[in-house]
Formats: sequence, structure tokens, C-alpha cells
Amino acid sequence: QITLKESGPSVVKPTQTLTLTCTFSGFSLSTGGVGVGWIRQPPGEALEWLALIYWDDDERYSPSLKNRVTITKDTSKNQVVLTMTNVDPVDTATYYCVRLGRVLGSKSAFDIWGQGTMVTVSS
Amino acid sequence: DIQMTQSPSSLSASVGDRVTITCRASQSIRDHLNWYQQKPGKAPKLLIYATSTLQSGVPSRFSGSGSGTDFTLTISSLQPEDFATYFCQQSYIIPITFGQGTRLEIK
Repeated sequence: QITLKESGPSVVKPTQTLTLTCTFSGFSLSTGGVGVGWIRQPPGEALEWLALIYWDDDERYSPSLKNRVTITKDTSKNQVVLTMTNVDPVDTATYYCVRLGRVLGSKSAFDIWGQGTMVTVSS
Repeated sequence: DIQMTQSPSSLSASVGDRVTITCRASQSIRDHLNWYQQKPGKAPKLLIYATSTLQSGVPSRFSGSGSGTDFTLTISSLQPEDFATYFCQQSYIIPITFGQGTRLEIK
């Protein structure tokens, strides 16, 4: 069974750095074609992709957040960490850890999602 | 960035109805289009990938079609458990982008 679980603070003050950890099981991030990423969803709003890290250490970021976000992986611990600097109340959202799987040929999809963790940015 | 536009934003329907949700990309994404279903308070779930392939366990009343810029998600006969929000997503090019969602409500 493949699972992902997010952990981190539920409240962060403005200008602080948010660090979220995704701990996964049931697959390896060293398997070709696999990636783990982060997606967020402000209350009542749409999904926004933030970052991805692939099995080969390639990192991809949303251009709108690229200067504030860093994604890293620890394959031995089955963990992926998202760091977001200088947070603002607009960063209040549920943050999901997701697996990007190769679903059909070269096509990919977020096939497994964590339960999500709500993060509120407030002083 | 590729913009994904869904229509309608919300939809009221009855059990047994046939429902179609549309997703339009701002440029061609070939068939790199996925659909997700999200129920209140839950994480989204992959429903359909690569435009038309049902994820394992998804009922056959769901179907997807399209190519290039225009795509549809169809539910042939709505069931009570289908009332949820649906999102399309393109995986063709980075940055990955989602539609704004279509909320399917009970009439």
C-alpha cells in the first residue's frame, strides 16, 4: 500500500519560514519516472502546484513561488521536505504531498495524495 | 503558463442525470489531461488520466474524451456519491496547472 503523510506546523507567523515534511511508504523515490511534489489549496479555492522533485534529483518549481520555495529529498528516509520562506497570510492553505506517477507511456498524474495538512499564517 | 478553464464552475443535477464538464487549455496539451474528484474535507483523488483512462477502481459511468485544447468529463448516470468537486489538470508542461474546479451539487 502506498501512502504519503504530511507533517509540520499548523500555524506560522508572517515572514517566517515554513517547513513541511512528507513521509511516504510503499514506493521508492529512486524508481525511474517517479516524483514527489507539493500542491496547496486555500480554503474554498482551487489547487495550486508548488514543486516537484524527481527520482533523478531534478527539481521543478512553480514560477510564481520559485524564489521562496525549495524542495529536497532524503531517499534513505523516504522523505521529501518543502521549505517556503517569508510566508504571508495568503499562503494559508491545506498543503498536500503527492506522488507523480508514470501512468501511461510518458504521461504522468498525481496518482497518490496525502491527507493534507492545514497551515495558517497569522500573527 | 498553460491556463486551464473549466465550465461550468458549478452545476446542479439529480441522481440518474447525465452530466458533462468541460476543460479547455490555453494551448495544445495533446492528451496530457487528468481529472480529479474531491469531496469536502478530503484530498483529491485521481479519476481519469491521459484524457480517457480510468484509474483503477473508478466506476465505468465516468468517461473522458478530447485532445489538443478541449476535453470533457462525463458521468453517464449520477450516483449520490458523485456529488463532489472536479478538477482538470495538465501534465504536458511545467508549470503543472489545474482548472478552477467544477462543483457538482444535488438538485
